[in-house]
Amino acid sequence: GAVVSQHPSRVICKSGTSVKIECRSLDFQATTMFWYRQFPKQSLMLMATSNEGSKATYEQGVEKDKFLINHASLTLSTLTVTSAHPEDSSFYICSARDLAGGPQETQYFGPGTRLLVL
Amino acid sequence: GENVEQHPSTLSVQEGDSAVIKCTYSDSASNYFPWYKQELGKGPQLIIDIRSNVGEKKDQRIAVTLNKTAKHFSLHITETQPEDSAVYFCAARGYSSASKIIFGSGTRLSIRP
Repeated sequence: GAVVSQHPSRVICKSGTSVKIECRSLDFQATTMFWYRQFPKQSLMLMATSNEGSKATYEQGVEKDKFLINHASLTLSTLTVTSAHPEDSSFYICSARDLAGGPQETQYFGPGTRLLVL
Repeated sequence: GENVEQHPSTLSVQEGDSAVIKCTYSDSASNYFPWYKQELGKGPQLIIDIRSNVGEKKDQRIAVTLNKTAKHFSLHITETQPEDSAVYFCAARGYSSASKIIFGSGTRLSIRP
């Protein structure tokens, strides 16, 4: 089946620094990618939808200037957490969908990136 | 917008017994219902999905049923095994290309040996 990868798998950074997370679709072209955040023992919460070549659409309550999303190619989307603070520590998961097959196409998830901000 | 409720939040069953997880959704326009299994420290893995034009789908020990009228859908795992222990999420999505997958709150399934 389709594979989505994320890099890095885990990252520790100091408060105030920026962290970039990459999401790649390995064997299909992802016209749309999604970024989720998951706190311990909670469900996945959608942060933003990233469409190739256009600006991301952010969910209510998600700061677009803090969580910068770039979807520059059909196989790569990046999430940059700017000026990270301890409350940004979470599990970040990307997901990719190939709309070439129509809107019912299955959505595949990456393995996640665990961010710890000290 | 869509709201998905999932029950129970935790479930413990004896190995070999069946496990059932139930979900309800609010948006009658939703027509795609995937189920995901998430193991500790990993991303969600799609285990089965159902679209609104069918009422039931089965894949080996896993089955999903959908009642569109009641807006209910359920996951059934038979002959449970230790490796079934994980967190399971139901989800719902509408038809349009802009529709987003909305997750339920998750069920932590434990299989007792």
